[in-house]
Amino acid sequence: DVKVTQSSRYLVKRTGEKVFLECVQDMDHENMFWYRQDPGLGLRLIYFSYDVKMKEKGDIPEGYSVSREKKERFSLILESASTNQTSMYLCASSLGVGTDLTYGYTFGSGTRLTVV
Amino acid sequence: GNSVTQMEGPVTLSEEAFLTINCTYTATGYPSLFWYVQYPGEGLQLLLKATKADDKGSNKGFEATYRKETTSFHLEKGSVQVSDSAVYFCALSDETSYDKVIFGPGTSLSVIP
Repeated sequence: DVKVTQSSRYLVKRTGEKVFLECVQDMDHENMFWYRQDPGLGLRLIYFSYDVKMKEKGDIPEGYSVSREKKERFSLILESASTNQTSMYLCASSLGVGTDLTYGYTFGSGTRLTVV
Repeated sequence: GNSVTQMEGPVTLSEEAFLTINCTYTATGYPSLFWYVQYPGEGLQLLLKATKADDKGSNKGFEATYRKETTSFHLEKGSVQVSDSAVYFCALSDETSYDKVIFGPGTSLSVIP
């Protein structure tokens, strides 16, 4: 089975801290994605990447950056955490551009981040 | 652009009741359609999918049929269980969304004994 692993299930950080959320997939997927999920707002795409060292802004990139130095790892960075970034963060991966669009995503278990 | 609309929740059903969650979509291409499920405190899991018109996806007693004429992909289950309590997301992808899956807002289902 494809696995997408997020390094932490729960995280508590202080306002102003730099926060790293890590995501690793083990099936050689080209595409990786970061979403946040908030009650009443559904899933919102923060950033995504189609290849190593490539990144594209999603719908709500402000206050976030990403890093993809290796194909299997996609990191989400909160440069200076704020309380409005308290949320559930979900990482996902999929096969790749020009491949099977019927595949959909494989998701990690999520990281619930609380910024105090 | 592409979009997915789902019925508003939350939905509360008694055990063994029949479930329908409505989903309609707008797409410029020929989308693949998905239902994902999210159990409390977890990430999303693929529940079922259909890749062309009139296909029926099924898994764990859930079914959905890809209806191109009505642009719909309604989720059904004949007899729900308490363990089906979760949030259900309808979603699509096609070549115009550049590998991004477009999600609906989700429908929360609670099944009571």
